Amino acid sequence: EPEVTQTPSHQVTQMGQEVILRCVPISNHLYFYWYRQILGQKVEFLVSFYNNEISEKSEIFDDQFSVERPDGSNFTLKIRSTKLEDSAMYFCASSVDWLLAGVQETQYFGPGTRLLVL
Amino acid sequence: AQKVTQAQTEISVVEKEDVTLDCVYETRDTTYYLFWYKQPPSGELVFLIRRNSFDEQNEISGRYSWNFQKSTSSFNFTITASQVVDSAVYFCALRSSGTYKYIFGTGTRLKVLA
Repeated sequence: EPEVTQTPSHQVTQMGQEVILRCVPISNHLYFYWYRQILGQKVEFLVSFYNNEISEKSEIFDDQFSVERPDGSNFTLKIRSTKLEDSAMYFCASSVDWLLAGVQETQYFGPGTRLLVL
Repeated sequence: AQKVTQAQTEISVVEKEDVTLDCVYETRDTTYYLFWYKQPPSGELVFLIRRNSFDEQNEISGRYSWNFQKSTSSFNFTITASQVVDSAVYFCALRSSGTYKYIFGTGTRLKVLA
Protein backbone atom coordinates (compact mmCIF):
# COMPACT_ATOMS: atom_id res chain seq x y z
CA GLU A 1 0.00 0.00 0.00
CA PRO A 2 1.46 3.39 -0.96
CA GLU A 3 2.46 5.61 1.92
CA VAL A 4 3.96 8.98 2.68
CA THR A 5 7.57 8.79 3.81
CA GLN A 6 9.58 11.36 5.74
CA THR A 7 13.27 11.86 6.47
CA PRO A 8 14.93 12.12 8.86
CA SER A 9 12.88 10.47 11.58
CA HIS A 10 14.69 12.54 14.22
CA GLN A 11 16.73 15.71 13.97
CA VAL A 12 18.55 17.66 16.65
CA THR A 13 19.75 21.15 15.85
CA GLN A 14 21.09 24.23 17.54
CA MET A 15 18.96 27.32 17.87
CA GLY A 16 19.46 29.62 14.90
CA GLN A 17 20.39 26.86 12.49
CA GLU A 18 18.48 26.06 9.32
CA VAL A 19 16.77 22.71 8.94
CA ILE A 20 15.16 21.03 5.99
CA LEU A 21 12.60 18.32 6.53
CA ARG A 22 11.91 16.02 3.64
CA CYS A 23 8.83 14.18 2.52
CA VAL A 24 7.94 11.90 -0.35
CA PRO A 25 4.16 12.05 -0.85
CA ILE A 26 2.09 9.24 -2.31
CA SER A 27 2.94 9.14 -6.00
CA ASN A 28 -0.42 10.04 -7.59
CA HIS A 29 -1.25 12.72 -5.03
CA LEU A 30 -1.09 16.36 -6.01
CA TYR A 31 -1.92 18.19 -2.78
CA PHE A 32 0.70 18.35 -0.07
CA TYR A 33 0.60 19.57 3.51
CA TRP A 34 2.71 20.16 6.58
CA TYR A 35 1.40 19.96 10.12
CA ARG A 36 3.18 20.06 13.43
CA GLN A 37 2.51 18.63 16.85
CA ILE A 38 4.23 20.10 19.87
CA LEU A 39 4.82 17.35 22.42
CA GLY A 40 1.60 16.30 24.09
CA GLN A 41 -0.50 18.79 22.18
CA LYS A 42 -2.83 18.68 19.22
CA VAL A 43 -1.83 18.54 15.59
CA GLU A 44 -1.75 21.98 13.95
CA PHE A 45 -1.95 22.88 10.27
CA LEU A 46 0.98 24.80 8.80
CA VAL A 47 0.58 24.94 5.04
CA SER A 48 -0.93 23.35 1.96
CA PHE A 49 0.72 23.27 -1.45
CA TYR A 50 -0.66 22.61 -4.90
CA ASN A 51 0.62 23.17 -8.41
CA ASN A 52 3.92 24.52 -7.10
CA GLU A 53 2.45 27.19 -4.93
CA ILE A 54 1.09 27.66 -1.45
CA SER A 55 -2.69 27.34 -1.45
CA GLU A 56 -3.26 28.02 2.22
CA LYS A 57 -1.16 28.73 5.30
CA SER A 58 -1.74 29.28 8.98
CA GLU A 59 -0.56 32.07 11.28
CA ILE A 60 2.20 29.74 12.47
CA PHE A 61 3.70 29.62 8.98
CA ASP A 62 5.63 32.88 9.11
CA ASP A 63 8.64 34.09 7.13
CA GLN A 64 10.89 31.61 8.90
CA PHE A 65 9.17 28.78 7.07
CA SER A 66 9.19 27.88 3.41
CA VAL A 67 8.11 24.90 1.33
CA GLU A 68 9.34 23.59 -1.95
CA ARG A 69 8.83 20.76 -4.40
CA PRO A 70 12.36 20.57 -5.76
CA ASP A 71 11.66 17.63 -8.05
CA GLY A 72 8.86 15.29 -9.04
CA SER A 73 8.86 13.31 -5.85
CA ASN A 74 10.09 15.34 -2.87
CA PHE A 75 8.32 17.98 -0.82
CA THR A 76 10.36 19.93 1.72
CA LEU A 77 9.80 22.19 4.68
CA LYS A 78 12.61 24.60 5.53
CA ILE A 79 12.92 26.45 8.79
CA ARG A 80 15.44 29.23 8.26
CA SER A 81 16.52 30.05 11.79
CA THR A 82 15.19 27.58 14.30
CA LYS A 83 13.87 28.63 17.69
CA LEU A 84 13.38 26.57 20.81
CA GLU A 85 9.62 26.67 20.27
CA ASP A 86 10.01 25.01 16.87
CA SER A 87 10.70 21.74 18.69
CA ALA A 88 7.87 19.47 17.62
CA MET A 89 6.87 16.52 15.50
CA TYR A 90 6.40 17.63 11.91
CA PHE A 91 4.00 15.65 9.76
CA CYS A 92 3.79 15.69 6.00
CA ALA A 93 0.52 14.66 4.36
CA SER A 94 -0.80 14.30 0.85
CA SER A 95 -4.13 13.89 -0.91
CA VAL A 96 -5.32 13.30 -4.46
CA ASP A 97 -6.44 16.01 -6.85
CA TRP A 98 -9.90 16.74 -5.47
CA LEU A 99 -11.15 18.19 -8.70
CA LEU A 100 -10.83 14.78 -10.27
CA ALA A 101 -12.15 12.96 -7.26
CA GLY A 102 -15.13 15.26 -6.91
CA VAL A 103 -14.39 15.99 -3.29
CA GLN A 104 -11.09 16.52 -1.61
CA GLU A 105 -9.81 13.16 -0.63
CA THR A 106 -8.48 12.19 2.73
CA GLN A 107 -5.09 13.48 3.77
CA TYR A 108 -2.67 10.63 4.43
CA PHE A 109 0.06 11.37 6.90
CA GLY A 110 3.68 10.33 7.01
CA PRO A 111 5.38 8.95 10.13
CA GLY A 112 6.68 12.38 11.14
CA THR A 113 10.05 13.99 11.84
CA ARG A 114 10.76 14.74 15.45
CA LEU A 115 12.70 18.02 15.60
CA LEU A 116 14.51 19.06 18.75
CA VAL A 117 16.00 22.55 18.92
CA LEU A 118 18.61 23.07 21.63
CA ALA B 1 -15.16 29.65 14.11
CA GLN B 2 -14.27 26.02 13.66
CA LYS B 3 -13.42 23.88 16.63
CA VAL B 4 -13.14 20.25 17.66
CA THR B 5 -13.53 19.26 21.29
CA GLN B 6 -12.45 15.94 22.72
CA ALA B 7 -13.34 16.33 26.37
CA GLN B 8 -11.90 12.98 27.44
CA THR B 9 -8.19 13.45 27.98
CA GLU B 10 -7.47 9.88 28.96
CA ILE B 11 -9.52 6.70 29.28
CA SER B 12 -8.42 3.40 30.77
CA VAL B 13 -10.31 0.20 30.17
CA VAL B 14 -9.69 -3.46 30.72
CA GLU B 15 -9.29 -5.64 27.65
CA LYS B 16 -12.57 -6.77 26.09
CA GLU B 17 -14.49 -3.81 27.43
CA ASP B 18 -16.29 -1.52 25.01
CA VAL B 19 -15.22 2.11 24.97
CA THR B 20 -16.61 5.24 23.34
CA LEU B 21 -14.50 8.26 22.46
CA ASP B 22 -16.41 11.50 22.19
CA CYS B 23 -15.97 14.22 19.60
CA VAL B 24 -17.95 17.44 19.39
CA TYR B 25 -17.35 19.88 16.58
CA GLU B 26 -18.30 23.44 15.71
CA THR B 27 -18.61 24.91 12.26
CA ARG B 28 -20.90 27.33 10.49
CA ASP B 29 -20.43 25.60 7.15
CA THR B 30 -23.12 23.32 5.82
CA THR B 31 -20.60 21.15 3.99
CA TYR B 32 -17.79 19.71 6.03
CA TYR B 33 -15.86 16.52 6.64
CA LEU B 34 -15.03 14.70 9.83
CA PHE B 35 -12.18 12.30 10.44
CA TRP B 36 -10.72 10.02 13.06
CA TYR B 37 -7.01 9.27 13.24
CA LYS B 38 -5.10 6.93 15.52
CA GLN B 39 -1.65 7.82 16.85
CA PRO B 40 0.04 4.74 18.34
CA PRO B 41 3.08 5.08 20.61
CA SER B 42 5.33 5.01 17.56
CA GLY B 43 3.94 8.44 16.64
CA GLU B 44 2.50 8.15 13.16
CA LEU B 45 -1.04 9.26 12.33
CA VAL B 46 -3.17 6.46 10.95
CA PHE B 47 -6.36 7.34 9.10
CA LEU B 48 -9.43 5.49 10.38
CA ILE B 49 -12.51 7.06 8.82
CA ARG B 50 -13.93 10.04 6.95
CA ARG B 51 -17.54 11.15 7.14
CA ASN B 52 -19.18 13.82 4.97
CA SER B 53 -21.70 16.21 6.50
CA PHE B 54 -24.41 15.13 4.10
CA ASP B 55 -24.07 11.47 5.03
CA GLU B 56 -25.31 10.75 8.52
CA GLN B 57 -25.23 7.01 8.11
CA ASN B 58 -23.38 5.34 10.91
CA GLU B 59 -20.57 3.02 10.00
CA ILE B 60 -19.16 -0.18 11.37
CA SER B 61 -15.79 -1.64 10.48
CA GLY B 62 -14.96 -4.74 12.42
CA ARG B 63 -14.70 -3.76 16.09
CA TYR B 64 -14.90 -0.05 15.23
CA SER B 65 -18.10 1.92 14.81
CA TRP B 66 -18.87 5.59 14.40
CA ASN B 67 -21.99 7.52 15.37
CA PHE B 68 -22.46 10.79 13.50
CA GLN B 69 -25.24 13.06 14.78
CA LYS B 70 -25.59 16.49 13.19
CA SER B 71 -28.28 17.48 15.69
CA THR B 72 -25.73 17.37 18.49
CA SER B 73 -22.65 18.11 16.35
CA SER B 74 -21.04 14.90 17.50
CA PHE B 75 -19.02 12.20 15.81
CA ASN B 76 -18.33 9.54 18.41
CA PHE B 77 -16.13 6.50 18.00
CA THR B 78 -16.76 3.18 19.70
CA ILE B 79 -14.34 0.29 20.00
CA THR B 80 -16.04 -2.99 20.85
CA ALA B 81 -14.16 -5.67 22.77
CA SER B 82 -11.06 -3.51 23.13
CA GLN B 83 -7.60 -5.00 22.77
CA VAL B 84 -4.21 -3.94 24.10
CA VAL B 85 -3.20 -2.99 20.54
CA ASP B 86 -5.92 -0.35 20.58
CA SER B 87 -3.88 1.64 23.09
CA ALA B 88 -3.10 4.92 21.38
CA VAL B 89 -4.09 8.56 21.18
CA TYR B 90 -7.15 9.08 19.01
CA PHE B 91 -7.75 12.37 17.24
CA CYS B 92 -10.96 13.69 15.77
CA ALA B 93 -10.55 16.26 12.98
CA LEU B 94 -12.75 18.61 10.96
CA ARG B 95 -12.34 20.10 7.53
CA SER B 96 -14.82 22.62 6.19
CA SER B 97 -15.39 23.16 2.48
CA GLY B 98 -13.34 25.99 1.09
CA THR B 99 -10.29 25.22 3.20
CA TYR B 100 -7.60 22.60 2.99
CA LYS B 101 -6.69 22.50 6.63
CA TYR B 102 -7.80 19.95 9.16
CA ILE B 103 -8.71 21.22 12.61
CA PHE B 104 -7.74 18.59 15.15
CA GLY B 105 -9.07 18.02 18.62
CA THR B 106 -6.69 17.64 21.52
CA GLY B 107 -6.93 13.87 21.36
CA THR B 108 -8.01 11.14 23.77
CA ARG B 109 -5.39 8.78 25.14
CA LEU B 110 -6.83 5.28 25.37
CA LYS B 111 -5.11 2.73 27.57
CA VAL B 112 -6.30 -0.84 27.28
CA LEU B 113 -5.04 -2.96 30.13
CA ALA B 114 -4.52 -6.69 29.81
